[in-house]
Amino acid sequence: EAQVTQNPRYLITVTGKKLTVTCSQNMNHEYMSWYRQDPGLGLRQIYYSMNVEATDKGDVPEGYKVSRKEKRNFPLILESPSPNQTSLYFCASRVTGGMGGYTFGSGTRLTVV
Amino acid sequence: GQSLEQPSEVTAVEGAIVQINCTYQTSGFYGLSWYQQHDGGAPTFLSYNALDGLEETGRFSSFLSRSDSYGYLLLQELQMKDSASYFCAVRDGGTGFQKLVFGTGTRLLVSP
Repeated sequence: EAQVTQNPRYLITVTGKKLTVTCSQNMNHEYMSWYRQDPGLGLRQIYYSMNVEATDKGDVPEGYKVSRKEKRNFPLILESPSPNQTSLYFCASRVTGGMGGYTFGSGTRLTVV
Repeated sequence: GQSLEQPSEVTAVEGAIVQINCTYQTSGFYGLSWYQQHDGGAPTFLSYNALDGLEETGRFSSFLSRSDSYGYLLLQELQMKDSASYFCAVRDGGTGFQKLVFGTGTRLLVSP
């Protein structure tokens, strides 16, 4: 089944404790992206990647890091999480070009206390 | 930059027709997309319009007018399961049209 897989689904952590949210897709998509979703603000892009070793900042990159060492994986790293990073996070992927939509992962609900 | 405006909430009854509007301002245009998201779920792709006109997919249709920077999603024969949030989205021309920018979403409530 074609899908984007995120882990974990739920995570509660403490301020300052480094964490990684994993994202993997099995569709050979070049483009991958991370979004956060907050009430009233919709989906805002954190980082995106056009292909392996090609990443760039989205609209809200502060406090996040990403890497793209393999085409299928695009982990999101919070080096020192803070309470304002409490949010619902989605990873998405698509082929570059064309008219197809983006495929989203199931989401990761992160709480930083 | 990009900005998209859509109503925050729309209510309707089962069997009815509802239209969700979206107006956008973009630095480049590469099509208008629509996504559906149920509470607690992931956004799922519904439709994409690159050219003016109406695209129909079953009970859902999407319309685009590039000259008016306007589009809408039309849902017919509403069912309870259509209660969800609906997002319009455009691709950012400044990033080679790869970055997807979302509106803040319209919550559709379908009542019996």
